[in-house]
Amino acid sequence: GAVVSQHPSWVICKSGTSVKIECRSLDFQATTMFWYRQFPKQSLMLMATSNEGSKATYEQGVEKDKFLINHASLTLSTLTVTSAHPEDSSFYICSAPIAGTPNTEAFFGQGTRLTVV
Amino acid sequence: GESVGLHLPTLSVQEGDNSIINCAYSNSASDYFIWYKQESGKGPQFIIDIRSNMDKRQGQRVTVLLNKTVKHLSLQIAATQPGDSAVYFCAETPSGYSTLTFGKGTMLLVSP
Repeated sequence: GAVVSQHPSWVICKSGTSVKIECRSLDFQATTMFWYRQFPKQSLMLMATSNEGSKATYEQGVEKDKFLINHASLTLSTLTVTSAHPEDSSFYICSAPIAGTPNTEAFFGQGTRLTVV
Repeated sequence: GESVGLHLPTLSVQEGDNSIINCAYSNSASDYFIWYKQESGKGPQFIIDIRSNMDKRQGQRVTVLLNKTVKHLSLQIAATQPGDSAVYFCAETPSGYSTLTFGKGTMLLVSP
């Protein structure tokens, strides 16, 4: 089946630094990818929709200058958390549907645990 | 029994029991509903979905029921196994090409 892979699986960074998280569709092309954030014991909250070759669409309340999204190819989207602070510590998850298929059929990555110290 | 924690309701069952996990949704315009299973430290895994023109759909050991009148969705797991222990989320969307909105989630704990 289709696989979405995130890298790294976990990362610890110092406050004030930037961290890049990759989301790759390993065996299919994805024109759209979704980035979610999940705090402990809470639900997934959509942060933004990443669109290949164009700007990402951010959800209300998500700072686009803090969470930079780049979707430069049909198999890779990156989320960069800039000037990270401890409150950015969370589980970041991406998902992607096969190009041309509904978002309801999106495959999820395994998630990236970010800890900012 | 069922208890509500600080953020995540928990359902504790014995192995072999049938489990029922509930979800209330808010958007009457939602047309697609999906159940996901999320194990600790992993991404969500698709279980089963249902469209608004149906009220029941069955999969392997799972059944999803949809009551549009009261905007309620349930996931029934038959003969629950320890491997079913996870957090279960429902998600809704008004169309297949819209974004998903996830519900709060329920932790299922299955004891042998």
